[in-house]
Amino acid sequence: NAGVMQNPRHLVRRRGQEARLRCSPMKGHSHVYWYRQLPEEGLKFMVYLQKENIIDESGMPKERFSAEFPKEGPSILRIQQVVRGDSAAYFCASSPRQGAREKLFFGSGTQLSVL
Amino acid sequence: SQKIEQNSEALNIQEGKTATLTCNYTNYSPAYLQWYRQDPGRGPVFLLLIRENEKEKRKERLKVTFDTTLKQSLFHITASQPADSATYLCALVPGNTPLVFGKGTRLSVIA
Repeated sequence: NAGVMQNPRHLVRRRGQEARLRCSPMKGHSHVYWYRQLPEEGLKFMVYLQKENIIDESGMPKERFSAEFPKEGPSILRIQQVVRGDSAAYFCASSPRQGAREKLFFGSGTQLSVL
Repeated sequence: SQKIEQNSEALNIQEGKTATLTCNYTNYSPAYLQWYRQDPGRGPVFLLLIRENEKEKRKERLKVTFDTTLKQSLFHITASQPADSATYLCALVPGNTPLVFGKGTRLSVIA
């Protein structure tokens, strides 16, 4: 049973380009979470999705960022017109259910570097 | 405002000793608290979950305590080994939102 798969592992973009980060949750998991981690900072929640629905996007910047989790295929985190401040590690996690006692299974992350 | 604080950014201990990491939270009343381990360049890995009515939880060399009066959780690694060197994160669910993490404590076990 493969774990949470994220790709690419490393992504380099120039300012103004678009970044697309992909996440395939563990088999049987329908809940997906995206977090961002800056150097020396903790994991910051961005968005929580279930299949075809955004449940909580309270941590998502209002502009340039969007996320989806279609019926078929991986979850996508999309950053338009990237800026240097978007450089960070982006982690995806999944769980089979939602709740305070549900542990999250994380992928290895995508390291985004904006030149 | 709500906060989760892990009081040490870094902790160095000698191999064989017990490492104790602290997690304090304010303005939350979580029913559960979780601990994760994160290695450089990797995602966090779940270690232990403790409920508010559990004083203590153990798993092999790991022990977690949860004091809802002090609003504090302690994470212990006994007989520490160099392979235990990593960043340890505490996390909790503040109501209806997904898991919120502390910044972590970077543990280095020196042989």
